[in-house]
Amino acid sequence: KQEVTQIPAALSVPEGENLVLNCSFTDSAIYNLQWFRQDPGKGLTSLLLIQSSQREQTSGRLNASLDKSSGRSTLYIAASQPGDSATYLCAVRRNSGGSNYKLTFGKGTLLTVNP
Amino acid sequence: NAGVTQTPKFQVLKTGQSMTLQCAQDMNHEYMSWYRQDPGMGLRLIHYSVGAGITDQGEVPNGYNVSRSTTEDFPLRLLSAAPSQTSVYFCASRRSVNQPQHFGDGTRLSIL
Repeated sequence: KQEVTQIPAALSVPEGENLVLNCSFTDSAIYNLQWFRQDPGKGLTSLLLIQSSQREQTSGRLNASLDKSSGRSTLYIAASQPGDSATYLCAVRRNSGGSNYKLTFGKGTLLTVNP
Repeated sequence: NAGVTQTPKFQVLKTGQSMTLQCAQDMNHEYMSWYRQDPGMGLRLIHYSVGAGITDQGEVPNGYNVSRSTTEDFPLRLLSAAPSQTSVYFCASRRSVNQPQHFGDGTRLSIL
């Protein structure tokens, strides 16, 4: 059974700092991995999607990497801003023949960026 | 673009009542899913659909029914509400397996 772990559960940083959020998964047979952010009381917003054949994806100040063999992904946020404060979740989609429907989510990292 | 639209946003039910949570998407996505999000449990898949007329169970399907008569709509029905179904429910859709998943804003449901 796939398990996804995100460490740390919470992170507080001063504005302007570069930071890394971690995601690990137990089964390396994944189809892709997706990073989301969730603001309080809101739904999930997709940030980056990395296919299993890719090593990284970039969008603005965000860079996500994937090391499938070691079961790890990182989300790098450059020059953090108070508006980046949110919960960040990673989710992996397994590669299991036709059963690649299921996303397994981590429990998220609550990020607070202090002005 | 409206994306994924869920209604209602909030609902309070009494134990034993039934109701339907609505989900609609305007992106012509084949794949749609329902999740529940509970503190300490993360997001768990309830039911999913890979196209109109095709649905299947996720990891926590008991007490819920779904149907998919059109590509756009994927309602979730609570048959007889129980306090354990108090949660935030999210509907999601995607175009294909290698495309990102899009989520609605959720329905916050309380069962008394």
